[in-house]
Amino acid sequence: DAKTTQPPSMDCAEGRAANLPCNHSTISGNEYVYWYRQIHSQGPQYIIHGLKNNETNEMASLIITEDRKSSTLILPHATLRDTAVYYCIVRSANAGGTSYGKLTFGQGTILTVHP
Amino acid sequence: NAGVTQTPKFQVLKTGQSMTLQCAQDMNHEYMSWYRQDPGMGLRLIHYSVGAGITDQGEVPNGYNVSRSTTEDFPLRLLSAAPSQTSVYFCASSLLAGGPGEQYFGPGTRLTVT
Repeated sequence: DAKTTQPPSMDCAEGRAANLPCNHSTISGNEYVYWYRQIHSQGPQYIIHGLKNNETNEMASLIITEDRKSSTLILPHATLRDTAVYYCIVRSANAGGTSYGKLTFGQGTILTVHP
Repeated sequence: NAGVTQTPKFQVLKTGQSMTLQCAQDMNHEYMSWYRQDPGMGLRLIHYSVGAGITDQGEVPNGYNVSRSTTEDFPLRLLSAAPSQTSVYFCASSLLAGGPGEQYFGPGTRLTVT
C-alpha cells in the first residue's frame, strides 16, 4: 500500500472548517483513499473514502487532486467533539496474504478544535 | 444494531496466564479482524477472518490464536501471556474485506500483563 504523509498536528476554531491534508504521491490506480479518526481511548471511526472523485457524506468531504497524489479531508463546521487523531490511509482493494483487509494506520494528524 | 462489541474492557493478567478476548458483531459482516495498538506503533493486524470457519494470520500473529465458528463471533486467545502483549486490542468488522467500504471498530480491550 502507498505511504501517506500528514502534518503531525493542526488547530481549528470551533464552527470553522477544518481542512486536513494528506500526501500520497506513490498511490497506484487501484488504491483507495480512506479517512478514519480516533477519539481518545476509543476505537477508530470510519469517516469517508474515495478513489478519484470528490466525495461527501454527513460527516465530511473528501477532495482528491486530479493526479491523486494528495487529498484533503474537510470537516465543514468543526465542533469540540471533532478533536481526535485523523488518519489518512491508502489501501488496495486487491491486497492479499497478511495484508488482506488490513488498514495501515500511520501517525495521523492530531486535530485540536478550540472554543 | 449494537455494532462491534468487545469484552472485557480492562484486564490484568500475570505472565503465563491464558485468556480469551471476546468480539461480536451483529451486522452480518463477513470480515472480522483483530488489531493491537501500542504507543508509537500505530495499529497492527494480528489475525483476520473472511467468514465462518476461515481464519488467517496478519502481521503479528505470534502468541495469539483465533477461531470463527459463527459469523457473529471472533474471539482472540492469548495462550501464555507475556508483558510484551500489554496493549490495547481492537476488533473490527466489515461487509467485505477486499472491496471499498468502511470497517467498524469495537471500543477496545485494555490488557496489562505483569
